[in-house]
Amino acid sequence: DQQVKQNSPSLSVQEGRISILNCDYTNSMFDYFLWYKKYPAEGPTFLISISSIKDKNEDGRFTVFLNKSAKHLSLHIVPSQPGDSAVYFCAAPDLNTGNQFYFGTGTSLTVIP
Amino acid sequence: NAGVTQTPKFRVLKTGQSMTLLCAQDMNHEYMYWYRQDPGMGLRLIHYSVGEGTTAKGEVPDGYNVSRLKKQNFLLGLESAAPSQTSVYFCASSYEGTRDFFGPGTRLTVL
Repeated sequence: DQQVKQNSPSLSVQEGRISILNCDYTNSMFDYFLWYKKYPAEGPTFLISISSIKDKNEDGRFTVFLNKSAKHLSLHIVPSQPGDSAVYFCAAPDLNTGNQFYFGTGTSLTVIP
Repeated sequence: NAGVTQTPKFRVLKTGQSMTLLCAQDMNHEYMYWYRQDPGMGLRLIHYSVGEGTTAKGEVPDGYNVSRLKKQNFLLGLESAAPSQTSVYFCASSYEGTRDFFGPGTRLTVL
């Protein structure tokens, strides 16, 4: 059973516009979430994280929002740039079982120049 | 500071052959992980280790074995490779389990 879900496999956005990537989770015990970015033929790299004590975390053009009651988080990229084209994974560590990370299936973002 | 490195980068095996994937990290991290990435499946945890000499099963451990004899190395073994193990394998490490640093991946094809 997928504990972290990304229901949109792909997303296309015009350069300069906002990109919104969504992620849902089922385990209410998760209290820390991460977004990773992955380019082809490379390993994922950490992008931004959020703790459950917050509902928003911002880092430059990237903002992550957390809605605990809905078990939903989203990543906003504003403004989107062609270099943002990549696959984005959301992830949550299960801190109760030895820090296993659960990853979503990823959303492939294409930013059109 | 090389971060997380993986050896080899590419490998082709025949069904039934065995091989070992090596992961090394130079960040003195306690936690290390092996994931596989398949189309439409995201990253799935195979095995992980929370310290030297310890290992534990993840979501998809069958057909794999691991060893963590040294803190900086985490080995993933396939004793008898099967076509279903064709995948891209990523190793990762983290300091306290709060953020993974990933290696570049190993693309394995089993014929």
